[in-house]
Amino acid sequence: AQSVTQLGSHVSVSEGALVLLRCNYSSSVPPYLFWYVQYPNQGLQLLLKYTSAATLVKGINDFEAEFKKSETSFHLTKPSAHMSDAAEYFCAVTPAGNKLTFGGGTRVLVKP
Amino acid sequence: EAQVTQNPRYLITVTGKKLTVTCSQNMNHEYMSWYRQDPGLGLRQIYYSMNVEVTDKGDVPEGYKVSRKEKRNFPLILESPSPNQTSLYFCASSTSTGQSPLHFGNGTRLTVT
Repeated sequence: AQSVTQLGSHVSVSEGALVLLRCNYSSSVPPYLFWYVQYPNQGLQLLLKYTSAATLVKGINDFEAEFKKSETSFHLTKPSAHMSDAAEYFCAVTPAGNKLTFGGGTRVLVKP
Repeated sequence: EAQVTQNPRYLITVTGKKLTVTCSQNMNHEYMSWYRQDPGLGLRQIYYSMNVEVTDKGDVPEGYKVSRKEKRNFPLILESPSPNQTSLYFCASSTSTGQSPLHFGNGTRLTVT
């Protein structure tokens, strides 16, 4: 069975600073990987997804993630944090089919 | 506008009183799913449906029922709610392939007293 671990349930960054959210997964087969974002009082929205094409995946709002098979990681980064990036972020993995397994989430606080 | 609509957004009920949370999508998606979100646990799948009349258990199905009589609708039923079902619930849909992203509703916050 697959599993997803997000290091750090809360991350605080200054506006303009680098955002780095860590995600490690376990999967018995090559997975599809996703990052979702949840703004307050809303459902989850897709940020980006990895589907075995390029290992560096670009998403919306200048976010990107790099798939590293040797490290079983899919960390999410953004070069410069904006106040509007304050949200909760979820990493998710599916080896096949539609059953997604989500990580526990990382809440991002952006300080002015 | 493509969307997944859940109702109600907020629901407070008492132990044992049957309730239904509705979910409807207008994207002609075959796959639909229910999740519950609890702090520190992320989203856990309750039930999912690959198509009309095809449903299956997710990771935490105990105490829940679902039905898929029409492609667009996927209601979640709690026949006898208990306080441990207090949570934030999300309905989601996607096309049938595994690499397709999920489209989520805005959530239903349920409190069972």
